[in-house]
Amino acid sequence: IVLTQSPGTLSLSAGERATLSCRASHSITSRYLAWYQQKPGQAPRLLIYHTSNRATGIPDRFSGSGSETDFILTISRLEPEDFAVYYCQQYHTSPALTFGGGTKVEVK
Amino acid sequence: QLQLQESGPGLVKPSETLSLTCTVSGGSISSSHYYWGWIRQAPGKGLEWIGNIHYSGSTHYNASLKSRVTISVDTSKNQFSLRLTSATAADTAVYYCARLHQLVSSPSYFLIWGRGTLVAVSA
Repeated sequence: IVLTQSPGTLSLSAGERATLSCRASHSITSRYLAWYQQKPGQAPRLLIYHTSNRATGIPDRFSGSGSETDFILTISRLEPEDFAVYYCQQYHTSPALTFGGGTKVEVK
Repeated sequence: QLQLQESGPGLVKPSETLSLTCTVSGGSISSSHYYWGWIRQAPGKGLEWIGNIHYSGSTHYNASLKSRVTISVDTSKNQFSLRLTSATAADTAVYYCARLHQLVSSPSYFLIWGRGTLVAVSA
């Protein structure tokens, strides 16, 4: 399964809502999709698993939704620390795993 | 608190073998509930899954790398390792090790990550 993330870059201001898309080449009927956040020089951090479940310690301004081939990560109100790159990852075809190409959320 | 730490040479010559080790601390690698994996990230690029291993020795590899990759586990040292043969400049990347959640006896999402180590392939 190929995951295509859009847009490549999202330019927003703190306090705004961010909507990130992850589109799958084949249906992920299981909804086995995760989202990660990566800041410069750091390892990725798990945000969301099973499409909509927040990982431990993740603020509730982060939410995930979607089904079949279209998945969304929403950040309801951007905080300064949320400007980063976000990746989706599918495990529907586990043990084969794939990542999307990433969306960078930058300061407008 | 579980921690993972990658170690190995930061520079590898073309055609040689890239070898890295991930040391797990604060927990046992022998837990049946998890898989252990390797991911890499070329400079300025996205994440690429390399492969996973279970402490039992069961492995799964990215099809695009399968002919060159071997992942092994040493439960006595609480470590798992990556070997990538015939390295080229395209293998230059930050290599991360991670623990994966096990879902219905299969690897799923990456729960805990190491800090990563940069490996350059150059003469």
